[in-house]
Amino acid sequence: AQSVAQPEDQVNVAEGNPLTVKCTYSVSGNPYLFWYVQYPNRGLQFLLKYITGDNLVKGSYGFEAEFNKSQTSFHLKKPSALVSDSALYFCAVRGYGGFKTIFGAGTRLFVKA
Amino acid sequence: EAGVVQSPRYKIIEKKQPVAFWCNPISGHNTLYWYRQNLGQGPELLIRYENEEAVDDSQLPKDRFSAERLKGVDSTLKIQPAELGDSAVYLCASSFPGTGGNEQFFGPGTRLTVL
Repeated sequence: AQSVAQPEDQVNVAEGNPLTVKCTYSVSGNPYLFWYVQYPNRGLQFLLKYITGDNLVKGSYGFEAEFNKSQTSFHLKKPSALVSDSALYFCAVRGYGGFKTIFGAGTRLFVKA
Repeated sequence: EAGVVQSPRYKIIEKKQPVAFWCNPISGHNTLYWYRQNLGQGPELLIRYENEEAVDDSQLPKDRFSAERLKGVDSTLKIQPAELGDSAVYLCASSFPGTGGNEQFFGPGTRLTVL
């Protein structure tokens, strides 16, 4: 069965510092991996995805994520956090060839000025 | 380009009452999803449509929930009768057809409160 774990309910970081939001997954076969961001009173917004190829993928707003097959992880990163990055971040996984997406419980990112 | 449109944005009803949510996906997106998002959790799939066909409704509580997408464009999700535990945000999403690698585009959601 597919599953996604986001081990941190909240991540706190100072503006200008690097940030990491962690995600691990379990799926049969090769995964499709996604990160979405949710701002208050708004729907989820796509940030980036890993399908195949380079393990480091770049997405919107300066975010990037690294796929690590041996550790079954897909951590979200940004070199320099902004206050405006404060939001709820969801990791999601879909099995290769499948269409059902499983979302993690979310990690709230708080960037302090 | 318009995004995924949902209405209403908020709905408050008493238990045992019916309620309906409407979604208009992005033009050209043949795949439409309905999710339920409980407080503090990620979205959980209720039903997925490919055009007008419901291809995955295994998580839809069919005793009280129903959905339709008659012309393969907009969709309606209905709850009848609503229960207290149905209070949640109901999200609609759409994507291009094809491989499972396509990202989903989400609407703003409908926040349902059942009293």
